[in-house]
Amino acid sequence: NAGVTQTPKFRVLKTGQSMTLLCAQDMNHEYMYWYRQDPGMGLRLIHYSVGEGTTAKGEVPDGYNVSRLKKQNFLLGLESAAPSQTSVYFCASSLGLAGVNEQFFGPGTRLTVL
Amino acid sequence: AQSVTQPDIHITVSEGASLELRCNYSYGATPYLFWYVQSPGQGLQLLLKYFSGDTLVQGIKGFEAEFKRSQSSFNLRKPSVHWSDAAEYFCAVGANFGNEKLTFGTGTRLTIIP
Repeated sequence: NAGVTQTPKFRVLKTGQSMTLLCAQDMNHEYMYWYRQDPGMGLRLIHYSVGEGTTAKGEVPDGYNVSRLKKQNFLLGLESAAPSQTSVYFCASSLGLAGVNEQFFGPGTRLTVL
Repeated sequence: AQSVTQPDIHITVSEGASLELRCNYSYGATPYLFWYVQSPGQGLQLLLKYFSGDTLVQGIKGFEAEFKRSQSSFNLRKPSVHWSDAAEYFCAVGANFGNEKLTFGTGTRLTIIP
C-alpha cells in the first residue's frame, strides 16, 4: 500500500516549457487535490476533483490544467511555465469531503522555473 | 468563507520543554478543525482533528488540542517535546454542508534545541 505517490520529485523548467505532474493513489479515494506550497503562504488549493472525470477550480487555478481520467490518477499540467510557478506541489486524496475528512498527502514535487 | 491564522511563524523550544502552538479560526458555524504536521522534505500528516463533542482532542505522537469556541481558537499542545518533533505545523479549518475544501493556515515552524 503506497498511499499517495507523486512523479517526478524534482524538476527544473525554462520559462515557456510545459510539463505534467502525476499523482497516483491506491486507497480508492474519490477526492483528489493539487496544492502549491510557498514560503509564508501555507498550502493553497490549485484544482481538485470529486470523482473520476470531474475537476474543479481551487483558490489559485490560473496557469494550470488538470485531468482525472482514472479514479486513481490526478494529473496537473503547466502549459507554459512561468517563474511565478516555482513552488513545491503536493497532491492529496481523501475518502470524502476535504472539509471533514482526513487528507493523505504525497511527498511533493519541487519545481523550479528559470 | 472560513479562514485560519497562525500568529507564530517560528517557535524554538528546548527538548523536554512543553509546547503550545496557536491557531485562531474564523467561521460562522461550528468548524471542523485539523492540525497537520510536515516533517522536512515530506508531505503533510494528520495529527488530530475536532468535529464535535469533547473539546480536548488527543492525537498521534502525544499531541493534544483544545477547542475554545469563545476564543475561536484551537491550540496545539505537547507536554514534553522530542527532537523528532521539529517540523512545520499547519492548522486547518473545514466545514460541512458540501464544502470540498480545507483552508490552511500559513504554518508554524518548530525548532528544537538540545
